Amino acid sequence: SQQGEEDPQALSIQEGENATMNCSYKTSINNLQWYRQNSGRGLVHLILIRSNEREKHSGRLRVTLDTSKKSSSLLITASRAADTASYFCATDGRNAGNMLTFGGGTRLMVKP
Amino acid sequence: NAGVMQNPRHLVRRRGQEARLRCSPMKGHSHVYWYRQLPEEGLKFMVYLQKENIIDESGMPKERFSAEFPKEGPSILRIQQVVRGDSAAYFCASSPGSGGRGEKLFFGSGTQLSVL
Repeated sequence: SQQGEEDPQALSIQEGENATMNCSYKTSINNLQWYRQNSGRGLVHLILIRSNEREKHSGRLRVTLDTSKKSSSLLITASRAADTASYFCATDGRNAGNMLTFGGGTRLMVKP
Repeated sequence: NAGVMQNPRHLVRRRGQEARLRCSPMKGHSHVYWYRQLPEEGLKFMVYLQKENIIDESGMPKERFSAEFPKEGPSILRIQQVVRGDSAAYFCASSPGSGGRGEKLFFGSGTQLSVL
């Protein structure tokens, strides 16, 4: 079973609206990362939040982490059509060595 | 400053043939990871290598699959006697290896393997 599970699996919004994606995980982590994947391309790192952090911002991105609930959320504010992509959370897991475990992703569509 | 380079971009093989996927990590990166992705799904970890060493191959099937990261040259993911179920996108990622556990990964554009 996957360490990270995103919710919802798919999200469709209008340009200018905010998009919120959630991620739940099972085991203790050192950090949690969010990646973006455009169709047919590799993943691009967006943001990393450490287990001792609760919130982090990067431009229009806001990530929260609740280690007591083993969950994270990614908020994209004032969305644009170019934000259309799949978004994945990834966790390292305290006993997982250096590799990251990815969730199934949220497919975001932003309509112009 | 080239990123992670994977080739070929697309690879078509018939059942029973061999597939060799190549990955050149970013300059200065000594850690390489291979992931596999099926359509509409997330990435599944396969193997983690450092130069000349396999560190973690827990996600790789025991048979037909092998990986290497030689001292010189790219990392190679090799799939022998391919079957239709091997059809997927295979992504390589690299990291400097200096950031500790769970550091940021840099991904290539992937190799789409199609088995006829």
